[in-house]
Amino acid sequence: EPEVTQTPSHQVTQMGQEVILRCVPISNHLYFYWYRQILGQKVEFLVSFYNNEISEKSEIFDDQFSVERPDGSNFTLKIRSTKLEDSAMYFCASSRDWTVNEQFFGPGTRLTVL
Amino acid sequence: AQTVTQSQPEMSVQEAETVTLSCTYDTSENNYYLFWYKQPPSRQMILVIRQEAYKQQNATENRFSVNFQKAAKSFSLKISDSQLGDTAMYFCAFEAGNEKLTFGTGTRLTIIP
Repeated sequence: EPEVTQTPSHQVTQMGQEVILRCVPISNHLYFYWYRQILGQKVEFLVSFYNNEISEKSEIFDDQFSVERPDGSNFTLKIRSTKLEDSAMYFCASSRDWTVNEQFFGPGTRLTVL
Repeated sequence: AQTVTQSQPEMSVQEAETVTLSCTYDTSENNYYLFWYKQPPSRQMILVIRQEAYKQQNATENRFSVNFQKAAKSFSLKISDSQLGDTAMYFCAFEAGNEKLTFGTGTRLTIIP
């Protein structure tokens, strides 16, 4: 069964460093998403991406964040200058189209900012 | 803006018993989707069940079923014959055609052997 994959599973970085989190969505999916979950809290929407552009973003997704689909298979989330409060689990998700409207999540990347 | 409320932070039940997790939501939309996601200790988000708001019939998936009350904006999850592997966080989520999922705060369910 196709699945969303994410790398790395755990990333440790120093405050102020740039990190890139990688995701490979399911191959025939067209809509891509990033969510984050701070430990012990609920899952929060960050950004959605369709047709090579951002379709919606939340207040959390400020200028420090960017997304890209560089090669038609990977979907990346970049945090330019990490802060302590960026420590969280980051989930990538994808969905096929509006009619199915079902998002499949990857296993997540745990980001720890020291 | 949509909100999703899960009023039970924690629940526990004996193995093989039935448990119901509550979820309420608030929206002005008429067409939307509701989901229950399971998050085991591995922290992977796994879709358990989904419900389209335009469907009156409650969704079922094996031991999992929902009680969808559109007028009351209520969407509870019933787990029958609970198993140890059902131990997890359960998140209710809402989606109204704007692509993003809005999650509740979750219910931590523990199945007791």
